[in-house]
Amino acid sequence: GQQLNQSPQSMFIQEGEDVSMNCTSSSIFNTWLWYKQDPGEGPVLLIALYKAGELTSNGRLTAQFGITRKDSFLNISASIPSDVGIYFCAGQLVNTGKLIFGQGTTLQVKP
Amino acid sequence: NAGVTQTPKFRVLKTGQSMTLLCAQDMNHEYMYWYRQDPGMGLRLIHYSVGEGTTAKGEVPDGYNVSRLKKQNFLLGLESAAPSQTSVYFCASSSRSGTGELFFGEGSRLTVL
Repeated sequence: GQQLNQSPQSMFIQEGEDVSMNCTSSSIFNTWLWYKQDPGEGPVLLIALYKAGELTSNGRLTAQFGITRKDSFLNISASIPSDVGIYFCAGQLVNTGKLIFGQGTTLQVKP
Repeated sequence: NAGVTQTPKFRVLKTGQSMTLLCAQDMNHEYMYWYRQDPGMGLRLIHYSVGEGTTAKGEVPDGYNVSRLKKQNFLLGLESAAPSQTSVYFCASSSRSGTGELFFGEGSRLTVL
């Protein structure tokens, strides 16, 4: 079935560093979303993207909807300890409207 | 404003037992969903509902049943639990279909022995 390939699977970085993660697929999407899951909590929406090429920021977070509509990336600048968690991409397929999630990127930040 | 509330938060079952997870939302959302989260597999949709009295199958519906008798509640049932159903279950709701903008509960951790 359709899949989203999210990478990297995990990251361990120093506080203050920038972070980049991405999701790719062979399918075409009309929406890309990025969620963050804190330990023991449910995912929370960070950024939603609705147009190919769209670049959107939310504080230190920046996400882009790839021009081919098959990928998206999320950047976090100047990471802080509270950025720790699992980041999920999600995409809504053009052909079915189905929403599918990536496998998640686990981020750990060393103070 | 509680948002999406799931009960119970934790449960341990023996194989073959039944149980129901309750999801309640106070945002007057039309759409509600049940997902399961397993390590390395992201979130997979079990069942969903587009309104009171309606339900539909998601990606992994086998072994689960759901009901949406009231708009604010979405119940997930396991009739005969199996170890493969050990997982963390998340309920979510949304006000609009087609956006992917979901509000999630805190999760229910289920262990089947």
